[in-house]
Amino acid sequence: NAGVTQTPKFQVLKTGQSMTLQCAQDMNHEYMSWYRQDPGMGLRLIHYSVGAGITDQGEVPNGYNVSRSTTEDFPLRLLSAAPSQTSVYFCASTDRVGNEQFFGPGTRLTVL
Amino acid sequence: QQQVKQSPQSLIVQKGGIPIINCAYENTAFDYFPWYQQFPGKGPALLIAIRPDVSEKKEGRFTISFNKSAKQFSLHIMDSQPGDSATYFCAASVDTGTASKLTFGTGTRLQVTL
Repeated sequence: NAGVTQTPKFQVLKTGQSMTLQCAQDMNHEYMSWYRQDPGMGLRLIHYSVGAGITDQGEVPNGYNVSRSTTEDFPLRLLSAAPSQTSVYFCASTDRVGNEQFFGPGTRLTVL
Repeated sequence: QQQVKQSPQSLIVQKGGIPIINCAYENTAFDYFPWYQQFPGKGPALLIAIRPDVSEKKEGRFTISFNKSAKQFSLHIMDSQPGDSATYFCAASVDTGTASKLTFGTGTRLQVTL
């Protein structure tokens, strides 16, 4: 099993550009989440999904969209990137509530 | 509003020492308290977790102490090694049955020196 994979590993955008961060898992997990990690602030939940076709907002959802068309994939879209979205983004998945969340290796995004 | 407060921000101990990282929470509905370990350039990985029905849990050299009345929990690393140098995050969640959303502390950067 590859676990949770994320692409790209690094990305530089200009303000106003759009892009999609990819996340995939091969563990047949129902629950998937996106977090952003900023210095001194820990990890903060952006959006999460409890199954295909079901998504909901986390703590910091503004500026981000998600969709969950399959169990395996959970892409995060930035429609109009802003410098405040410069961060490291982590995708995570788990098989059930209260169990270990498995994190991907992260995407480091810089918005100029 | 920081629902899970973690301290210290950074910690330096000598090999063999016992670093202690503390976390305090506000939401009494939290019922799952994991600790994650993160090495540079990697995603966090679960280290150990506890539920509020026990006051202590040990896994190898790692121990969680939990004080429900004080709404605090801490991580102890026995006989610390240079390989334990990493950033440690406490977290908490409410398992509602439909979703498990982790709220993280701000992290503690641990350095274990020789």
